[in-house]
Amino acid sequence: DTEVTQTPKHLVMGMTNKKSLKCEQHMGHRAMYWYKQKAKKPPELMFVYSYEKLSINESVPSRFSPECPNSSLLNLHLHALQPEDSALYLCASSQEPGAGYNEQFFGPGTRLTVL
Amino acid sequence: AQKVTQAQTEISVVEKEDVTLDCVYETRDTTYYLFWYKQPPSGELVFLIRRNSFDEQNEISGRYSWNFQKSTSSFNFTITASQVVDSAVYFCAAGVSGAGSYQLTFGKGTKLSVIP
Repeated sequence: DTEVTQTPKHLVMGMTNKKSLKCEQHMGHRAMYWYKQKAKKPPELMFVYSYEKLSINESVPSRFSPECPNSSLLNLHLHALQPEDSALYLCASSQEPGAGYNEQFFGPGTRLTVL
Repeated sequence: AQKVTQAQTEISVVEKEDVTLDCVYETRDTTYYLFWYKQPPSGELVFLIRRNSFDEQNEISGRYSWNFQKSTSSFNFTITASQVVDSAVYFCAAGVSGAGSYQLTFGKGTKLSVIP
């Protein structure tokens, strides 16, 4: 299994809603990532989990809350988002944390719209 | 810190034409890694190739080929006999190893449109 899966594919939410994005991989990868991608821009790193522990938070607002329940799952909890948070949210994984030579495998993303 | 420059924002070619996507990188690290990813309209980034800084061999995979030249800090990507399915945004990216070196530095991407 060489896939990263993400659910849901699309999400529309109001600014007062609470929702979660889910990501799963079964490749035995020990690093998992959340990226945010706005239209016509490259992905921007948000969070990195290394061996199920949060290693990097790229100064992301607290309305985004990541969680790594186990080595295969990664969640992103959303609360009180703003319209400017509308974007494609990509999950990725790589074999070894801190190894720049490991390619990252990306999921199909969740297209989030905040009304 | 690294920097990746993809000067071509958008390219249009007619099907079966060859096309080269340019990538220029800047880094102070002696060991680094370069990547190409494809992002079709569906959104998923698809890994295409990785090249290590100490391996300047060019690579060919089917219709795809990559030319890595340290002398010009370039890692260009050529598609031969382009097809409509090649239409996508292509990102060049760079990474380094070491503690905390998780981040890929992406270029801004080149949108390739292959016209039938």
